[in-house]
Amino acid sequence: DAGVIQSPRHEVTEMGQEVTLRCKPISGHNSLFWYRQTMMRGLELLIYFNNNVPIDDSGMPEDRFSAKMPNASFSTLKIQPSEPRDSAVYFCASRIDVTPGSPLHFGNGTRLTVT
Amino acid sequence: DAKTTQPNSMESNEEEPVHLPCNHSTISGTDYIHWYRQLPSQGPEYVIHGLTSNVNNRMASLAIAEDRKSSTLILHRATLRDAAVYYCILPSGGTSYGKLTFGQGTILTVHP
Repeated sequence: DAGVIQSPRHEVTEMGQEVTLRCKPISGHNSLFWYRQTMMRGLELLIYFNNNVPIDDSGMPEDRFSAKMPNASFSTLKIQPSEPRDSAVYFCASRIDVTPGSPLHFGNGTRLTVT
Repeated sequence: DAKTTQPNSMESNEEEPVHLPCNHSTISGTDYIHWYRQLPSQGPEYVIHGLTSNVNNRMASLAIAEDRKSSTLILHRATLRDAAVYYCILPSGGTSYGKLTFGQGTILTVHP
């Protein structure tokens, strides 16, 4: 099993540019989560999907952020326009909801730097 | 949603047992207790979870108080590789699965 795959691993962009982060969950998993981690704010849940449907997006910071899950094997997190305060490590995680307590499996993250 | 409280940091010596506490006094009857850890420069990884009974796996043991208001993650013999941030989490969102919201966790330092 390849695990959760995120791309790119690193992204450096200038303020005002559009950024798209990508995630491929583990095959067969039906829930997908996007997290953001900074030193100041720790690990924050941005949004999560179940069966490709957004269930809770209350953690999305503002309208500049959007997430999609067009099918069970792919999700994107887009920031447009990007700002320096968006610099963080963004993690994607997936889970198969068959029994309560099923574990989250995290990807290696995308380190975003906005200059 | 129930909250958890953990010490900010703990220290241990290599090859000694480590007991990481977590308080969750507002836990509901159906909340599973989850533990994750995050090694430096990596994403979080699952450690263990439980509901009422104590649980063991190859990584750790989870001891759950009889009233379920607290739990303890036990690393039986700490190694340098166990140095990480350990998170105790209760799912929220009102379902058996729910979303996992990470707090600040406990930073575990292991001394050689």
